[in-house]
Amino acid sequence: AQKVTQAQTEISVVEKEDVTLDCVYETRDTTYYLFWYKQPPSGELVFLIRRNSFDEQNEISGRYSWNFQKSTSSFNFTITASQVVDSAVYFCALSEAGGFKTIFGAGTRLFVKA
Amino acid sequence: KAGVTQTPRYLIKTRGQQVTLSCSPISGHRSVSWYQQTPGQGLQFLFEYFSETQRNKGNFPGRFSGRQFSNSRSEMNVSTLELGDSALYLCASSLSATESPLHFGNGTRLTVT
Repeated sequence: AQKVTQAQTEISVVEKEDVTLDCVYETRDTTYYLFWYKQPPSGELVFLIRRNSFDEQNEISGRYSWNFQKSTSSFNFTITASQVVDSAVYFCALSEAGGFKTIFGAGTRLFVKA
Repeated sequence: KAGVTQTPRYLIKTRGQQVTLSCSPISGHRSVSWYQQTPGQGLQFLFEYFSETQRNKGNFPGRFSGRQFSNSRSEMNVSTLELGDSALYLCASSLSATESPLHFGNGTRLTVT
């Protein structure tokens, strides 16, 4: 069965600090997809990144970077030099090929203080 | 390109009533998924439709149902409302529901009193 665990419920940092959000997943499939979404206070979930199970390359997009490690079933998300606008709930998610559904972790609430 | 549109934004209903929520996906997206978001349970998958067919269903009672129309618009219905059905109901559209990212609407906030 699929499962996504985000062990960090809340994280609070001061602006300009780096912060890493952890995500551990479980799946029996060899083909699967991992995602990160952001839910700002306004409520709308926004897609950030997708990774498929065959692509373990890390990715950097501006201040955001993602570290995918199949050996530890982890897909961690790092924000460098955090800003107040990064304050939101971040969700890690998993979908299996042919499953037609995406399972979300419980989310990590990030507070960035000025 | 217009995003995912959900109507209404807010609803207040009484226990025992039924409710219908509507979702218009992004143009060209044929997959529509529904999620229930609550503080206690987080984001839970309700069901997914593609070309008017339900391809997957989450672990919800039969009071929760949905459908998709030929233009990909989707509705979900909850009958015999219970207090615990109070939640934010999110609709998402995508190209494939598996490997494609989900594009979410703003949600419908349902309050059952």
